[in-house]
Amino acid sequence: DAGVIQSPRHEVTEMGQEVTLRCKPISGHNSLFWYRQTMMRGLELLIYFNNNVPIDDSGMPEDRFSAKMPNASFSTLKIQPSEPRDSAVYFCASTESSRDTIYFGEGSWLTVV
Amino acid sequence: GENVEQHPSTLSVQEGDSAVIKCTYSDSASNYFPWYKQELGKRPQLIIDIRSNVGEKKDQRIAVTLNKTAKHFSLHITETQPEDSAVYFCAAIKPPGNTPLVFGKGTRLSVIA
Repeated sequence: DAGVIQSPRHEVTEMGQEVTLRCKPISGHNSLFWYRQTMMRGLELLIYFNNNVPIDDSGMPEDRFSAKMPNASFSTLKIQPSEPRDSAVYFCASTESSRDTIYFGEGSWLTVV
Repeated sequence: GENVEQHPSTLSVQEGDSAVIKCTYSDSASNYFPWYKQELGKRPQLIIDIRSNVGEKKDQRIAVTLNKTAKHFSLHITETQPEDSAVYFCAAIKPPGNTPLVFGKGTRLSVIA
């Protein structure tokens, strides 16, 4: 199994631009999580999906952030417009609903200048 | 909701010594407590976990203990090696299994050769 796949791995963008991060969960996993990691705030849960349905998006910082999961094998996290304070590592993770262990992707390193 | 506190935030030990990282959780319904290791520039990876029906679990040089009454759990690394240097995160989760993990803020462990 290839694990959780994220793209892009690194992105540098200018303030105001739209950023789209992509995630392919492990096949057979039906729960997907988006986390953001910064030095100051650690690992923060942004949103999670069960069976492609958003369950809790209370961690999404602002309306500039949105996430979708159109099918079981793909999810996106979009930031529009981006701001320098959005610079962070964004991790996608997945798990089977009957298990507890979650598996992280390699992360998308976002820098907004 | 669940809140996980982790201490210390940084820890330096001499190679060969032991390291202990402690976490407390707030929700007595939490029943699964994993520990993740994150090396610089990489994803968090599960190293050991414990469930609420077990008081201690060991895997080679790594052990985790759980005190349900006090709502705290600890990671113990014996005979530390330079490759143990990383950030360690504790986490807690309550049933059902497809709810998100709540992470501590992390402990940066440095093993000095």
